[in-house]
Amino acid sequence: EIVLTQSPGTLSLSPGERATLSCRASQSVSSSYLAWYQQKPGQAPRLLIYGASNRATGIPDRFSGSGSGTDFTLTISRLEPEDFAVFYCQQYGSSPRTFGQGTKVEIK
Amino acid sequence: QVQLVQSGAEVKKPGASVKVSCKASGYTFTSYGISWVRQAPGQGLEWMGWISTNNGNTNYAQKLQGRVTMTTDTSTSTAYMELRSLRSDDTAVYYCARGLFGANWGQGTLVTVSS
Repeated sequence: EIVLTQSPGTLSLSPGERATLSCRASQSVSSSYLAWYQQKPGQAPRLLIYGASNRATGIPDRFSGSGSGTDFTLTISRLEPEDFAVFYCQQYGSSPRTFGQGTKVEIK
Repeated sequence: QVQLVQSGAEVKKPGASVKVSCKASGYTFTSYGISWVRQAPGQGLEWMGWISTNNGNTNYAQKLQGRVTMTTDTSTSTAYMELRSLRSDDTAVYYCARGLFGANWGQGTLVTVSS
């Protein structure tokens, strides 16, 4: 089973700042099958990025994903008020298709 | 637009079973599999399994093997997840999602297991 470790656990930033979230895998994620999701309280997760770097439909270009192998990054170039939430990474290249434990981005 | 609409909240006693439905619309149902994910209160996301809407092939999380069954009804574009021998730690919001990764998600179904 591939274990995904996200860091930091919590990121305290102000609107307009840059956010950099990390997702590290215990073994290589095949074909960069890595997705990122945003979840707000009481809501279902929303897909942001798939294939490590492809933005999902309707996702603003301030969200970008990068990485390969075991190290992946989600970057939010300039935080908007609506961006504060919990973010999860998920690998879907091998079964079980595991999630990271999440990074909370909170308003400083 | 793509929509996944799930069945309503359930309250079950320990040892009982629950069956959650997920009705899809806005796309060709058999073109994408359905994943099931759950989230215990205040916790992260847990992948439960995936079913091919093409041929019914399934892939379940090891920890749920023997207690979970995922099925589909292509005539109604509906996917189902049944979980048996419920325990208190099965209390969670259960989500269906389109595809191997969740391109679209249902609204979630709260299942509460309590005596």
